[in-house]
Amino acid sequence: SQQGEEDPQALSIQEGENATMNCSYKTSINNLQWYRQNSGRGLVHLILIRSNEREKHSGRLRVTLDTSKKSSSLLITASRAADTASYFCAAGGTSYGKLTFGQGTILTVHP
Amino acid sequence: GAVVSQHPSWVICKSGTSVKIECRSLDFQATTMFWYRQFPKQSLMLMATSNEGSKATYEQGVEKDKFLINHASLTLSTLTVTSAHPEDSSFYICSASPGDRETQYFGPGTRLLVL
Repeated sequence: SQQGEEDPQALSIQEGENATMNCSYKTSINNLQWYRQNSGRGLVHLILIRSNEREKHSGRLRVTLDTSKKSSSLLITASRAADTASYFCAAGGTSYGKLTFGQGTILTVHP
Repeated sequence: GAVVSQHPSWVICKSGTSVKIECRSLDFQATTMFWYRQFPKQSLMLMATSNEGSKATYEQGVEKDKFLINHASLTLSTLTVTSAHPEDSSFYICSASPGDRETQYFGPGTRLLVL
């Protein structure tokens, strides 16, 4: 399956700073989702943005979607040490809701 | 919230043996279940999509005779790694969808080590 690209691959910031991660995808989508994964654990769903939406907020999270550029960004504001994890975007297709995951960004937030 | 469990959470086996991993949706009926594989520090790769009562659809490059998937009920799917080899060692994650084509609830994953 095609994999999207995420950048940066790794991001290291101080607590309180904002973290921005970008994702690009290749296929047509119904939605774009962001997930979080702590080391060696399962995935936690963060937010879903539909293809007809441009921006969505949830708490400290802000997601944008540009379907013309096939790209999305995730902004985490006022980061905390507990936000340290890997973050993945996933492009939601039309076939049974199949997800194609990006390569992920490893975020480290230093206290 | 919707909960998906996997069993076992980790397994160590000898080369040549078969290993079965269970994925259960605990509080909803899963029309579709997905199986993913994740190597260390890498992303999730979709292996197959299974719908209750029908044969699984495998992604290109995934051997269906090697990775047997059964989705016998709306709450249970199993992945059997047959004749496991060390290169099959990986983190296997399932997800379950109630059929709305948007939502997937992920299990906690199963770590397989083949010696």
